[in-house]
Amino acid sequence: AQSVTQLGSHVSVSEGALVLLRCNYSSSVPPYLFWYVQYPNQGLQLLLKYTTGATLVKGINGFEAEFKKSETSFHLTKPSAHMSDAAEYFCAVSDRGNKLVFGAGTILRVKS
Amino acid sequence: DTEVTQTPKHLVMGMTNKKSLKCEQHMGHRAMYWYKQKAKKPPELMFVYSYEKLSINESVPSRFSPECPNSSLLNLHLHALQPEDSALYLCASSQGRLAGGANVLTFGAGSRLTVL
Repeated sequence: AQSVTQLGSHVSVSEGALVLLRCNYSSSVPPYLFWYVQYPNQGLQLLLKYTTGATLVKGINGFEAEFKKSETSFHLTKPSAHMSDAAEYFCAVSDRGNKLVFGAGTILRVKS
Repeated sequence: DTEVTQTPKHLVMGMTNKKSLKCEQHMGHRAMYWYKQKAKKPPELMFVYSYEKLSINESVPSRFSPECPNSSLLNLHLHALQPEDSALYLCASSQGRLAGGANVLTFGAGSRLTVL
C-alpha cells in the first residue's frame, strides 16, 4: 500500500526566506505524487504533480518539487516565502488508480 | 467551469435526523469522491464512484450512504450520526482512471457538519 510521511507538522519561515516542506513516500509501484494546499475552511487546491518524465516539477505560486527515487522523496520548495503562502500543505501519493492517500500535513507559518 | 460545488456549506443535525450533502461538477469528470477531514487531520477517503458505479468503500459505517444519480452529481445521505462524525466533508472529482495519465482530483470547498 502507498503512504507518505511529511516531516514536521509545523514549519515557520520569515517572509522572503526559502520554504522547504519535506515528504517521503512508500510505494510498491512507480508512484504518482502530488502536493495540495489548503487554506483555512477551504477545500484542497493542487499545487503540482509528478507523474513521469522530468523529475523537477514546477507548480503554481512559484512552488516546485523534485522527485528523487533514490531517496524516495518529493520535497516542496519555494525560493522566497510570501505572507499569502501561510496555509496547510499536504503531500499525497496515488497508486495510479482512483485512490489518493494524503500525508499528515504541514502547517506553514510566514513571519513578517 | 472548473469547479466542484458542495451544498450546504454548514450543516448542524441531531443524532436522529436524516440529511444529505450534495456535490456537483460540470467538468465531464467520470470519477467522484467523498473524503472526511477531522480537525487538524488529513482528508481520509470514504467512497469513490467511477463511471457512476461505487468502486471503493473504505469500510465506512452504514449510517453514511453515498449515491451517484448521474455523472455530474454525488450525494452523501446521513442518518443516525454520532457526534464523532462531526467533520469537514470534501467532495472531489477527476477524469477517472480509465482516462489514463495522472488522476488529478479537483476538490470542492467542503461541507462542515456538526452532529449534536
